[in-house]
Amino acid sequence: KAGVTQTPRYLIKTRGQQVTLSCSPISGHRSVSWYQQTPGQGLQFLFEYFSETQRNKGNFPGRFSGRQFSNSRSEMNVSTLELGDSALYLCASLLGASQGTDTQYFGPGTRLTVL
Amino acid sequence: AQKITQTQPGMFVQEKEAVTLDCTYDTSDPSYGLFWYKQPSSGEMIFLIYQGSYDQQNATEGRYSLNFQKARKSANLVISASQLGDSAMYFCAMRPLLTGGFKTIFGAGTRLFVKA
Repeated sequence: KAGVTQTPRYLIKTRGQQVTLSCSPISGHRSVSWYQQTPGQGLQFLFEYFSETQRNKGNFPGRFSGRQFSNSRSEMNVSTLELGDSALYLCASLLGASQGTDTQYFGPGTRLTVL
Repeated sequence: AQKITQTQPGMFVQEKEAVTLDCTYDTSDPSYGLFWYKQPSSGEMIFLIYQGSYDQQNATEGRYSLNFQKARKSANLVISASQLGDSAMYFCAMRPLLTGGFKTIFGAGTRLFVKA
């Protein structure tokens, strides 16, 4: 069974540009969550999608948005990039069958560098 | 508000010895799940172990065990017989079990160094 895949793995952008990151969950998983990881702030929750609906959102500005498609693949978009957006963006999926014991499985991440 | 605290930024352990990584949490949710993840230098987060707040026994997975003390709100990870490959960042995480969604919050992490 294939794991969570994220594309691209590395990305370099300049300030003001926008970027779209993609995440394909494990087959059959319906929930996809996104996290931003930086050395200073650690792992911070961005948002979670389940069956194409955003169910939870972290404390990030509106420049950060996402969506989930009917095949559970998810994209996140960051507009008007700032230097502080440089980070490792991790996607995680889980089955979504039970509230508690489902385990999140993470992808390898997309490392975004904003110049 | 929910919070995870990992007070040890870095830890050293001798190969083959046991090590305990500390984790305390704060939540008002009556039911919650606690997780530990390992992040090697490659960056990928690897699930290690899960403990439900309603579980009577401490969770164990191979060389990993979770020392769960509900009254103290602590969920320490114990790694027995450390190996060089255990050198990595370790994250404690929590998710409420009754509220909707699968939002999980993470601690700041502990970097473990295993010495030969």
